[in-house]
Amino acid sequence: SQKIEQNSEALNIQEGKTATLTCNYTNYSPAYLQWYRQDPGRGPVFLLLIRENEKEKRKERLKVTFDTTLKQSLFHITASQPADSATYLCALPSGGSYIPTFGRGTSLIVHP
Amino acid sequence: GAGVSQSPSNKVTEKGKDVELRCDPISGHTALYWYRQRLGQGLEFLIYFQGNSAPDKSGLPSDRFSAERTGESVSTLTIQRTQQEDSAVYLCASSLLERVTSYNEQFFGPGTRLTVL
Repeated sequence: SQKIEQNSEALNIQEGKTATLTCNYTNYSPAYLQWYRQDPGRGPVFLLLIRENEKEKRKERLKVTFDTTLKQSLFHITASQPADSATYLCALPSGGSYIPTFGRGTSLIVHP
Repeated sequence: GAGVSQSPSNKVTEKGKDVELRCDPISGHTALYWYRQRLGQGLEFLIYFQGNSAPDKSGLPSDRFSAERTGESVSTLTIQRTQQEDSAVYLCASSLLERVTSYNEQFFGPGTRLTVL
């Protein structure tokens, strides 16, 4: 089955800088990959979806890339703000299903 | 419009008791999903519903876990004879369709925090 790897160590950056989070997967390239944000005590909130035939997707200060050769997606937040501090999860379908499997997430802390 | 709601928000129970967790999805959403999230862990898929039927129950950890959905709306996750390892946050999500298309994202509820003493 698909294994999803996200950096378990928190990413600490300074306000205004670009945060880059990584999601790696181990097996076949999925039909799509999603990124979610999760705040403490809350359910995840969908941010972006990128499909296998797309290299890049943007939404406001967010950018997601998808490299099927490297089996990797990068999630960028430009001009980061303390309010961006949260855990970011990547999710992709595995096992022949469209149901997404979630990574453990990476905690982002943006310092003012 | 209201989002996905779950009740109770917190549930503390004694080992061996049965618990019922409720999910109210967004109106009109065909698909409904249940996940479990242990402290510091990722989301573990449990079951999903397409309408009122559950084509994929592969994630249910044991036969102590069951779920149903009625009226293509409310869903209940039941855990019988709870064990301490069942302690986790149980998240429910709904989506417009059972398959992910361009923007058919999952909308999550706030979760039910279950503590088994």
